[in-house]
Amino acid sequence: DTEVTQTPKHLVMGMTNKKSLKCEQHMGHRAMYWYKQKAKKPPELMFVYSYEKLSINESVPSRFSPECPNSSLLNLHLHALQPEDSALYLCASSRTGTGSSYEQYFGPGTRLTVT
Amino acid sequence: SQQGEEDPQALSIQEGENATMNCSYKTSINNLQWYRQNSGRGLVHLILIRSNEREKHSGRLRVTLDTSKKSSSLLITASRAADTASYFCATALQGAQKLVFGQGTRLTINP
Repeated sequence: DTEVTQTPKHLVMGMTNKKSLKCEQHMGHRAMYWYKQKAKKPPELMFVYSYEKLSINESVPSRFSPECPNSSLLNLHLHALQPEDSALYLCASSRTGTGSSYEQYFGPGTRLTVT
Repeated sequence: SQQGEEDPQALSIQEGENATMNCSYKTSINNLQWYRQNSGRGLVHLILIRSNEREKHSGRLRVTLDTSKKSSSLLITASRAADTASYFCATALQGAQKLVFGQGTRLTINP
């Protein structure tokens, strides 16, 4: 199984809502990532988890809160978002905790719209 | 500024022709990776080339790496309509735990 799944596929939320994005992989990968991608732009790294521990936070605003409950699951909790946070949110995983040594497997993404 | 810069930003060719995309970077790398993204979907890994390698092939894909010039190229031979997508290079910096993506090349294959 070389699939990374993400739910939901689409999400519309108001600026006062709290929601969560979910990501799951069963490849035994020990590094997991959240990226944000705006239209016609490359993915921008937000967070890296290595062996279930947060190893990189790219100065992401606190209204985004990641969580890694176990080696297969990654969540991104959203609270009090702004319209400019509307984007495609991508989850990825890779083989080891040294995240850049191996290829990353991406999920299909969650299209988030903040109204 | 971006570690990886890609050229051209957009490329439109006829089906059956070859497509070449280039990527330049600024600092020493551990490896360089190429990804494809169909519109609005997740990225798909194509090829990883390590800093001590000069060329790799995978099916219709050929990637070269010139560390002296800090550049890489992706060649897609005998293009098909299904190759229409955005292509990103991503550099793994030495000592870093993350990839840095270039701006991407939007490839359109016309039937």
